Amino acid sequence: AQSVAQPEDQVNVAEGNPLTVKCTYSVSGNPYLFWYVQYPNRGLQFLLKYITGDNLVKGSYGFEAEFNKSQTSFHLKKPSALVSDSALYFCAVTPSTGFQKLVFGTGTRLLVSP
Amino acid sequence: DAGVTQSPTHLIKTRGQHVTLRCSPISGHKSVSWYQQVLGQGPQFIFQYYEKEERGRGNFPDRFSARQFPNYSSELNVNALLLGDSALYLCASSFLSGRGYNEQFFGPGTRLTVL
Repeated sequence: AQSVAQPEDQVNVAEGNPLTVKCTYSVSGNPYLFWYVQYPNRGLQFLLKYITGDNLVKGSYGFEAEFNKSQTSFHLKKPSALVSDSALYFCAVTPSTGFQKLVFGTGTRLLVSP
Repeated sequence: DAGVTQSPTHLIKTRGQHVTLRCSPISGHKSVSWYQQVLGQGPQFIFQYYEKEERGRGNFPDRFSARQFPNYSSELNVNALLLGDSALYLCASSFLSGRGYNEQFFGPGTRLTVL
C-alpha cells in the first residue's frame, strides 16, 4: 500500500529566508508525486509534480521540489519565503500504474513571519 | 476559465439522514474524484469516475456512493449519516483517468456537519 509521511506538523521561517517542507513516500513501483497547497476554507491548489526525468521540479509561485529515489523523498523548497506563502501544504503520491488514487500526507503548516 | 465547482458550500444534517453533494468539473475534464478531508488530516480518496464508470474506490463503507453524468458532472451520496461523516468533501477533476501523471484540480469543497 502506498503512503506519505510529512514529519513536521509546522514549519516556521522568516520572510526572505529559504524554506523546506519535508515529504517521504512509500509506493510499489515508480511514483508520481505531487505537492498541493491549501489556504483556509479553500480547496487544494496544485503546485508541482514529479513524473519522470529531472529530479528537480519547478512549479508555481517560485516553489520547487527535489525527488530523491534512494531516500524516497520529495521535499518542497523555495529560495525566499513570502508571508503570503503561509498555508497548509500536502504531499501526495500515486503509483505510475493503475488508476490514479492520490494518497496524501497529513499536511505541514507553513508559517512565514514578517 | 471556470474551475471545479461544488454545491452546496455548507450543509448541516442530523444522524441517519441522507446527503447529496454535487460537483462540476473543469470544461474538457472527463475524470472526477471525490475525497473526504477530516479536520486536521489530509484528504482521503473515496471514488474516481471516468466516462460515467467507477474506476476506483477507497476504503469507505457502502453508505457512500457516487455517479457521473453524461456531462461529466458528478454526485456523491451518503446514506445513514454518522457523526464521523462530518468533514470537508472535495471534488477534483483531471483530463484523463488512469493516467496518474495528470494533476487533479480541486474544487472549494462542501463542508458537511452531522449533528
